Amino acid sequence: QVQLVESGGGVVQPGRSLRLACAASGFNLRSYAMHWARQAPGKGLEWVAVIWSDGNKKYYSDSVKGRFTISRDNSENTLSLLMNSLRAEDTAVYFCARDWPRSSMDVWGQGTTVTVSS
Amino acid sequence: DIQMTQSPSSLSASVGDRVMITCRASQTISRYLNWYQQKPGNPPKLLIYTVSSLQSGVPSRFSGNGSGTDFTLTISSLQPEDFATYYCQQSYSSLWTFGQGTKVEV
Repeated sequence: QVQLVESGGGVVQPGRSLRLACAASGFNLRSYAMHWARQAPGKGLEWVAVIWSDGNKKYYSDSVKGRFTISRDNSENTLSLLMNSLRAEDTAVYFCARDWPRSSMDVWGQGTTVTVSS
Repeated sequence: DIQMTQSPSSLSASVGDRVMITCRASQTISRYLNWYQQKPGNPPKLLIYTVSSLQSGVPSRFSGNGSGTDFTLTISSLQPEDFATYYCQQSYSSLWTFGQGTKVEV
């Protein structure tokens, strides 16, 4: 079935880096734009970044621009999020999501937890 | 960035009630407005896209309306499984944004 599975979360010190991965199955990743969103503990949803299906365009929220990099490997059906210069406020559950239909997010992973703490 | 403001932030309701949640955008977003439902410990679930299109498998008691800057999500007869938090989200700009959420409680 159509599924997204995130991995790579953990506890990291402020200023360090972490790379998240999202494995897609049940559909061809190359046909879809893909997003990352996050949710801080007890807080609402925050959109983080998007990458177009061909990887040619990427957009980031102001809160992560310049620190996070979204990428994809369509041959491996995987999406990634490289997070540099991590801050305490980046602590959250990170979700990957598929862009479908008509600029919405119809399939979500279960999320991976990132904790930034010394 | 486009700001999305939901009201109310929370509401108390009973099974069978008609529930309406509003979402206002800081600028016009045409019909690029989606609604999600989230239950504790779970990822969001897409309910409605482009204002009023019901996602496959979503019960018809959910409906959406609006255009421009003002939008509503209506649950015509609240069911026990509908107690959750609801988020609106705009996809008009390249930088998407969510509303702050509306928690529907007993």
